[in-house]
Amino acid sequence: AQSVAQPEDQVNVAEGNPLTVKCTYSVSGNPYLFWYVQYPNRGLQFLLKYITGDNLVKGSYGFEAEFNKSQTSFHLKKPSALVSDSALYFCAVRDPRAGGSYIPTFGRGTSLIVHP
Amino acid sequence: NAGVTQTPKFQVLKTGQSMTLQCAQDMNHEYMSWYRQDPGMGLRLIHYSVGAGITDQGEVPNGYNVSRSTTEDFPLRLLSAAPSQTSVYFCASSEVGSYTEAFFGQGTRLTVV
Repeated sequence: AQSVAQPEDQVNVAEGNPLTVKCTYSVSGNPYLFWYVQYPNRGLQFLLKYITGDNLVKGSYGFEAEFNKSQTSFHLKKPSALVSDSALYFCAVRDPRAGGSYIPTFGRGTSLIVHP
Repeated sequence: NAGVTQTPKFQVLKTGQSMTLQCAQDMNHEYMSWYRQDPGMGLRLIHYSVGAGITDQGEVPNGYNVSRSTTEDFPLRLLSAAPSQTSVYFCASSEVGSYTEAFFGQGTRLTVV
């Protein structure tokens, strides 16, 4: 079975500071990992994904994520936070060996609050 | 290109009423799914479909039905609404392949009184 955990319900950071939103996963094989962002009263939007290759993945709006197989983590990062980055962030995982549906499992979400 | 379109955006139902949440996508995606989002619970999968004529249950299917008669449409039916079904519902679609990202609709906020 595949699962994903976002250990922090909320992350607070000052504008201009680096931010990290944590995600750990559990799959039986090599994972496919995704980050999505949800702004208030909107649907989820895709940010970035790791499939294979370079462990550092770059995505939309200046975000990046680092895949760490030994720690089973896929933390989302940004060098300099903006107030407009304040939103709900979801990590998701797929196990390509699971077969069947290819439906991802989502974490519970982390609320990022960037203070001016 | 509209992407994934959900209707209605808001709905209030009385306990016991039935209704259908509509979802349509214009990207020719094979995979479609319905999630509900509740505070502190994240996204929970209700039902999904891997192609026209094929549906399956997710994590929380009770009280909901789906059908997939076309590639484009994936309606979600609430058979007899209960207050526990008060939630925000999201429809998503994606291309074939476990490496593809999902596209989400704007959501339907449902309140059952």
